[in-house]
This record gives sequence, structure tokens and C-alpha cells, in this order.
Amino acid sequence: QVQLQQPGAELVKPGASVNLSCKASGYTFTSYWMHWVKQRPGQGLEWIGEINPTNGRTYYNERFKNMASLTVDKSSSTAYMQLSSLTSEDSAVYYCARYYYALDCWGQGTSVTVSS
Amino acid sequence: DIVLTQSPASLAVSLGQRATISCRASQSVATSDSSYIHWYQQQPGQSPKLLIKYASNLESGVPARFSGSGSGTDFTLNIHPVEEEDTATYYCHHSWEIPWTFGGGTKLEIK
Repeated sequence: QVQLQQPGAELVKPGASVNLSCKASGYTFTSYWMHWVKQRPGQGLEWIGEINPTNGRTYYNERFKNMASLTVDKSSSTAYMQLSSLTSEDSAVYYCARYYYALDCWGQGTSVTVSS
Repeated sequence: DIVLTQSPASLAVSLGQRATISCRASQSVATSDSSYIHWYQQQPGQSPKLLIKYASNLESGVPARFSGSGSGTDFTLNIHPVEEEDTATYYCHHSWEIPWTFGGGTKLEIK
């Protein structure tokens, strides 16, 4: 079955970077765009951006353009999102989600805590 | 950016009754053929789950008590009859243009 596997948690110091992974299985990785969504504790959902795994083409929400960078490794069917210059405002759960007419499959999310 | 306004922010519905959630877009998110609005359910501690795509198309495996309707800027998610397991927060989402945005969410409690 279609699955997106994400690590459960990351602890990061303020000002540092983190590289989040999303390993896809159960489908042809290069056939579907991958999206990333942020959810702060007790808050709603915020779209970060998307990547075409075939050619690496990306589109970003302007709000995240300078701090998020999306990449893929086709050999391991894994999507990555690097977040840089992190502050406490970036403490959140970050989801990857596959796009097939809508966001039809979501990972379990990685909880990022920014703290010294 | 397109703003999606959901109402109500929360509601409590008796078991077996109908829950109706509204989503209003700040501009049209539809063509004559398709409405680019989708609905998700997020149960406590879980990731979101797709319920309805393109305003009214039920995702495979989703119970038929969920239905969606609407066009232009006004969309509705209905759940009837509600069951205990429907306790969750529901979000609308548009894929009309970048950036995609989500509604603020509606928290559903079953009485």
C-alpha cells in the first residue's frame, strides 16, 4: 500500500538547520508531485511547497521561500526538506503528502522542536 | 493569497444527526468544469486524511455519509448521520493557484 515514512521527531538549536526526510513506498515515486505542509501546535495547516520528483522542479509559498529547500533522491524514493535559520516559530509538525488530484496520502509527520 | 474562511470554528452534533461545515473562498476557485476545493479530516494526534476532492468527489474508502457540494466561492461539507469516530477537525483546502491555502479548521464534537 502507499506509504510515506517520516521520522518522528527532531530537536534543533536556534539558528541551525534541519533536513527532514520522507520515504515513499507502494507506488512509482516519480509519478506524483510531493508536497510539504506545516502545522504549529494547536494550529491549522500551512502549505510550504511542492516538488516534481522526476525533474526536481519546485514551487514555494513565498513565506517559506528563503528558509525551505525541497529536494529528492530518486534512487531511494525519498523526498527531503531542508529548513534553515530556525527559530522558535518554526517548532511544528511537518508533513509530506503525495499529490494525486488532491493530497491523497500523508506521512505521519515529523515534530520539530527548536530549543537551546 | 486566497483566504478560505471556515464556519463554524467548532460545533457539537448529536449522534446520528447532520453536521454541516461551510468554506468560503475570497475569490472564485472554480471553472465551469471543476471546483478546486478539497476536504480533509484530522483526528486527534493523526495526520490529515483526504475525504472529498474537487468539491464533491468522495475519496475511495471514505464512507458515503460524507458529502461535499458548492461552486464558485461557497462550499459545504456534510456528514450525515454522524458517528462517534467522526470526532475530528475538518479543513478545506484549495489548489487553484500558488500558494495553496487551507481553511482555519472546524472542530466537530459528537454529543
